Amino acid sequence: NAGVTQTPKFQVLKTGQSMTLQCAQDMNHEYMSWYRQDPGMGLRLIHYSVGAGITDQGEVPNGYNVSRSTTEDFPLRLLSAAPSQTSVYFCASSTTSGYYNEQFFGPGTRLTVL
Amino acid sequence: DQQVKQNSPSLSVQEGRISILNCDYTNSMFDYFLWYKKYPAEGPTFLISISSIKDKNEDGRFTVFLNKSAKHLSLHIVPSQPGDSAVYFCAAQGGSEKLVFGKGTKLTVNP
Repeated sequence: NAGVTQTPKFQVLKTGQSMTLQCAQDMNHEYMSWYRQDPGMGLRLIHYSVGAGITDQGEVPNGYNVSRSTTEDFPLRLLSAAPSQTSVYFCASSTTSGYYNEQFFGPGTRLTVL
Repeated sequence: DQQVKQNSPSLSVQEGRISILNCDYTNSMFDYFLWYKKYPAEGPTFLISISSIKDKNEDGRFTVFLNKSAKHLSLHIVPSQPGDSAVYFCAAQGGSEKLVFGKGTKLTVNP
């Protein structure tokens, strides 16, 4: 059981480039989410999904797209990277309902946008 | 407007003593609260939670207290160990799966 995996671990982009951060879980969790962590800001929710084919916006969704075609995968797309998107990104998943349940986090992707 | 507040960015305690980490919230709809622990270069890991129908939950050295009238919760670690040194995040849920996090408190336990 690998839990929640994220790739890549590190990435450097130039302003305007696009990329996809990968997230996968092997626990058959319905709920998945993406957070970003910035110094002094805690973790902020970007997008989340309550099941395959269903996604919704979190607190800071601008500049990011998501899709959920399978239960296992929840990729996060940066359409045109900006320096303000320099951050550490965490993917998380939870059982049938993310409510009243702990969420399991991946190890994170550290992204730098120059 | 910050809905979950951890007003102490850092806390330093001696090994063997008690660590008390505090968290305040403003949203009355929150009814489930969680503490996560985060080591550098790792993802947060779940530590302990409490539902609003309780005022205390204990798990080994970790106890969380909830004061609903004051909209305040605290995490007690007794006794503190050097391996407890990490950033601790308070998080809250209310009406949905969405977690709202505080900014975190960095705990340092000195040997």
